[in-house]
Amino acid sequence: GAVVSQHPSWVICKSGTSVKIECRSLDFQATTMFWYRQFPKQSLMLMATSNEGSKATYEQGVEKDKFLINHASLTLSTLTVTSAHPEDSSFYICSAMTENQETQYFGPGTRLLVL
Amino acid sequence: AQSVTQPDIHITVSEGASLELRCNYSYGATPYLFWYVQSPGQGLQLLLKYFSGDTLVQGIKGFEAEFKRSQSSFNLRKPSVHWSDAAEYFCAVSRGNAGNMLTFGGGTRLMVKP
Repeated sequence: GAVVSQHPSWVICKSGTSVKIECRSLDFQATTMFWYRQFPKQSLMLMATSNEGSKATYEQGVEKDKFLINHASLTLSTLTVTSAHPEDSSFYICSAMTENQETQYFGPGTRLLVL
Repeated sequence: AQSVTQPDIHITVSEGASLELRCNYSYGATPYLFWYVQSPGQGLQLLLKYFSGDTLVQGIKGFEAEFKRSQSSFNLRKPSVHWSDAAEYFCAVSRGNAGNMLTFGGGTRLMVKP
C-alpha cells in the first residue's frame, strides 16, 4: 500500500514553455502533498506544501508564480513549471502524506530538462 | 532553524560487513526523525522513523537506528550489508507535526564491494 506515482517520469521542453507534472496517491487519500526539488548529487529541498482545496504554501525563495501548484482532489496534485528556463532543469519529487500525518510516501520523481 | 548533517558523503563497505551511517540533527524541540533510501529510478522509501519511546528503532530490510538525544544523533545501522543495499540514504527531521515539513540531510551514497 501507500503508493505514489508521478507523470511523466521525464520530460524535455523548450525554453519558455510550460510543463505540468502530476502526482497521484494510488491507494490512499492524501490531504497534504509536498513538492521537492533535487539537484544532482544533492539533497531534497522542499518547495511547497499542498493542501487539498486550498492554496499551496511555498518555502522561502520559491516563486509561486513560476511553480504553480494545484491540489484539486485527495489523490492528485499538479506542479506546473511556467515559462521554463534551463535553470529550472532538475529532478522534481512529490510526496503524499497519510491521514494520520505520520509518514510521507514519495513518488519516483520527474526529471525535467529545459533546452 | 532545524538542520540535518550527514558527515559522510560516500561510504564503501564489503558485502557482509556491518554498516553505520551517521546523522546529526539540530532542532529545538523533540525531533521526529526518519531514514529514507533512494535507489535509481525509484522513489524514496521509508526505512524507519522515531517519534518517541524506545530509542532503538527497527526498520525494514534489517536496518535499525538509535536516537541519542545527548549527541543529537540518529545513526543508521545494519549488521550485514547486501549488494542490494547500494543506494543513497537520507536522514530527515520533521519541523512540523510528526511526518510533516521534512528537512533532509545531504545524503550518504553507499557502495557495496563484492
